[in-house]
Amino acid sequence: KAGVTQTPRYLIKTRGQQVTLSCSPISGHRSVSWYQQTPGQGLQFLFEYFSETQRNKGNFPGRFSGRQFSNSRSEMNVSTLELGDSALYLCASSPLGHNNEKLFFGSGTQLSVL
Amino acid sequence: TQLLEQSPQFLSIQEGENLTVYCNSSSVFSSLQWYRQEPGEGPVLLVTVVTGGEVKKLKRLTFQFGDARKDSSLHITAAQTGDTGLYLCAGDSNSGYALNFGKGTSLLVTP
Repeated sequence: KAGVTQTPRYLIKTRGQQVTLSCSPISGHRSVSWYQQTPGQGLQFLFEYFSETQRNKGNFPGRFSGRQFSNSRSEMNVSTLELGDSALYLCASSPLGHNNEKLFFGSGTQLSVL
Repeated sequence: TQLLEQSPQFLSIQEGENLTVYCNSSSVFSSLQWYRQEPGEGPVLLVTVVTGGEVKKLKRLTFQFGDARKDSSLHITAAQTGDTGLYLCAGDSNSGYALNFGKGTSLLVTP
């Protein structure tokens, strides 16, 4: 079974630009969640999607958005990039997104904002 | 927000030594998970503890959930270089469908 696939692996953008990151979950997994990881703040929850619906959103500005498609693939978008958005963005999938369910993480997209 | 404090932040030991890392909170969690993350990769789940006082063993790793379900510890016996990585604890969020992560313990095991 293929794991969680995130593309691209690395991105370099400049301030003010926008970026779209992609995540393909494990086949059969319907819950996809996104986390931002920085050295200072650790992993912080961005949002979670299930069956194309956002069920939960973390404490991030509206510049951060996401969506999920009918095949469970998900994208997240960051508009008007700021230097502080430089981070590793991790996507995780699980069958239903319930508490105690094992999360399967992708290798992440490393975003650098210059 | 349910904060999880992990200690120590960094740990450097030699192969064969034992170590314990801690995950503490003032909040009660229905469960806690431990993940290990290696450089350039996403976190990988090691264990989930659910019952207060529960002890789980995974080869040389022993995980304990506090009786009050507010804290957890991870003990590694006879550490190996392959144990090097970032150890993260995570608890379920009150808002659902999300995990609150601690900032992690970065472990370096040298030969």
